[in-house]
Amino acid sequence: TQLLEQSPQFLSIQEGENLTVYCNSSSVFSSLQWYRQEPGEGPVLLVTVVTGGEVKKLKRLTFQFGDARKDSSLHITAAQPGDTGLYLCAGEDNNNDMRFGAGTRLTVKP
Amino acid sequence: DAGVTQSPTHLIKTRGQQVTLRCSPKSGHDTVSWYQQALGQGPQFIFQYYEEEERQRGNFPDRFSGHQFPNYSSELNVNALLLGDSALYLCASSFWRSGNTIYFGEGSWLTVV
Repeated sequence: TQLLEQSPQFLSIQEGENLTVYCNSSSVFSSLQWYRQEPGEGPVLLVTVVTGGEVKKLKRLTFQFGDARKDSSLHITAAQPGDTGLYLCAGEDNNNDMRFGAGTRLTVKP
Repeated sequence: DAGVTQSPTHLIKTRGQQVTLRCSPKSGHDTVSWYQQALGQGPQFIFQYYEEEERQRGNFPDRFSGHQFPNYSSELNVNALLLGDSALYLCASSFWRSGNTIYFGEGSWLTVV
């Protein structure tokens, strides 16, 4: 059982569309990270959110941390083929270990 | 500023053999964590090293062991390899005092045949 549940598991959209992916848990996290991973490479950190209700923007990507610090969302505006990849969320558990969700695999078609 | 580096990038081993994977952390980092990522899954935490000691451990058998050296680099050893050990092994580094924002290497692909 994953500590962090990500949805959807797979998402295939056309270039220019908007999308939102979700990361949910029954646990409270002191911080939550979002990573993007391309095939054959390690995950690359996109953002860290630490405050309940926090919203961070990274160009066309908007990250939100839930008020209760149990969930997060990632919204991409006007998706591009270069956004294709596996989006992973991760949070610290009670032992201060980083736990990952299984990821959302996004494909953006030209 | 060198990021996290791992070696080898790819290797093939036979069931029952032993393997050692290596990691050099990002400059300025003193903490190394190891993860196993099976195909189509998110990374699963194996263990974390700080000050040359194992600080935390995930749900992995004793066949998985590690070491951290005085220069903060680290090794992951897996004994008695099973087919199910085939995965991408990721090393991540961080600075102990600044929390757990971690940076990953590109990983070592292990195939057990």
